Amino acid sequence: GAVVSQHPSRVICKSGTSVKIECRSLDFQATTMFWYRQFPKQSLMLMATSNEGSKATYEQGVEKDKFLINHASLTLSTLTVTSAHPEDSSFYICSARVPSGMGNEQFFGPGTRLTVL
Amino acid sequence: AQSVTQLGSHVSVSEGALVLLRCNYSSSVPPYLFWYVQYPNQGLQLLLKYTTGATLVKGINGFEAEFKKSETSFHLTKPSAHMSDAAEYFCAVSDAGKSTFGDGTTLTVKP
Repeated sequence: GAVVSQHPSRVICKSGTSVKIECRSLDFQATTMFWYRQFPKQSLMLMATSNEGSKATYEQGVEKDKFLINHASLTLSTLTVTSAHPEDSSFYICSARVPSGMGNEQFFGPGTRLTVL
Repeated sequence: AQSVTQLGSHVSVSEGALVLLRCNYSSSVPPYLFWYVQYPNQGLQLLLKYTTGATLVKGINGFEAEFKKSETSFHLTKPSAHMSDAAEYFCAVSDAGKSTFGDGTTLTVKP
């Protein structure tokens, strides 16, 4: 089946630093990837849709200058949290959409736990 | 616009008992519906999905769900709960590849 990886799985950083999270589709090409944020005991909230070769589409209320998304290839999307602050601490999950014809199914990465001190 | 409502944020069953997790959706187009399971500090794993065709969908680990258009429901069931089923479960509806998730249901299985 389709496999999506994320790196790193866990990161702790100081307030004010930037953190980059990678999302890779390992065995298929993904023209569209999604970035979600999940707070403890809560559901996944879509942050942005990442399209290969074009600008990401951000959901309402998500700061595009704060959360930089780059989808430079068909197998890699990156999320950079710029000037991170403690309130950015969360579980970030990416997913990749399987090419059309497979029911809009998404495969999820294992998530990245970000802790900002 | 699409939305998902999961009735019951916490469900507790005894090992061996029936599991029923409820999900109602709204969608302006014929929906694609999914159930995912999440274990602590992990991503989401697909349990099953409904796209078209048969309304009773069988998934992994003995779970199944039935799509009922008239009731706009997609409830998840398992005849006999195992301790390993204890986890967070999310129902999701997808349109044009963009998924909307319910708030989740925490399933506890008592020995």
